[in-house]
Amino acid sequence: GIQVEQSPPDLILQEGANSTLRCNFSDSVNNLQWFHQNPWGQLINLFYIPSGTKQNGRLSATTVATERYSLLYISSSQTTDSGVYFCAVGSNDYKLSFGAGTTVTVRA
Amino acid sequence: DAGVTQSPTHLIKTRGQHVTLRCSPISGHKSVSWYQQVLGQGPQFIFQYYEKEERGRGNFPDRFSARQFPNYSSELNVNALLLGDSALYLCASSVGTGSEAFFGQGTRLTVV
Repeated sequence: GIQVEQSPPDLILQEGANSTLRCNFSDSVNNLQWFHQNPWGQLINLFYIPSGTKQNGRLSATTVATERYSLLYISSSQTTDSGVYFCAVGSNDYKLSFGAGTTVTVRA
Repeated sequence: DAGVTQSPTHLIKTRGQHVTLRCSPISGHKSVSWYQQVLGQGPQFIFQYYEKEERGRGNFPDRFSARQFPNYSSELNVNALLLGDSALYLCASSVGTGSEAFFGQGTRLTVV
């Protein structure tokens, strides 16, 4: 199956700071999603981005499929951005393969 | 519109027992997938169903089974529960295979 590596594993930010999370994957994909897992465990959809660039408020994401990586940018971070961010990829075998996640802590 | 709904939200079972978890997909979605997430790890794929047929199975023992009903809702069954089955079980729905997946709030299973 596809291997997914996320970095860094942990990130501590001061409120208002910017950050970049990275997702590397080992094979061609036709599905790539970024999720934020809330404290109750639900995965919240951030981006569906198998290629290209998207923006949603203070968050943006870029996927360079030919180089097999995706980046999630958080600007002007807020304490509510704290949590675990997952990258998940899928190819022709239907399933999503998840990385181990990046735990983000934003301090006031 | 209702999102993906799972029931129950929490469950405590004893080793050796059987458990059934339920999932209702978003209206119009025909694909349902199940994932297991143990503490500190990313979710791991268990099953995918599309149009009531199994389309994929992850590396889980035969104690795990699932099915999809004509209304596209789904059940995940686990027999002979082990302590190691304690985890958050997540259900995802999508329009079709390979399209954007949306997750429910999960069922937190504790096996004692």
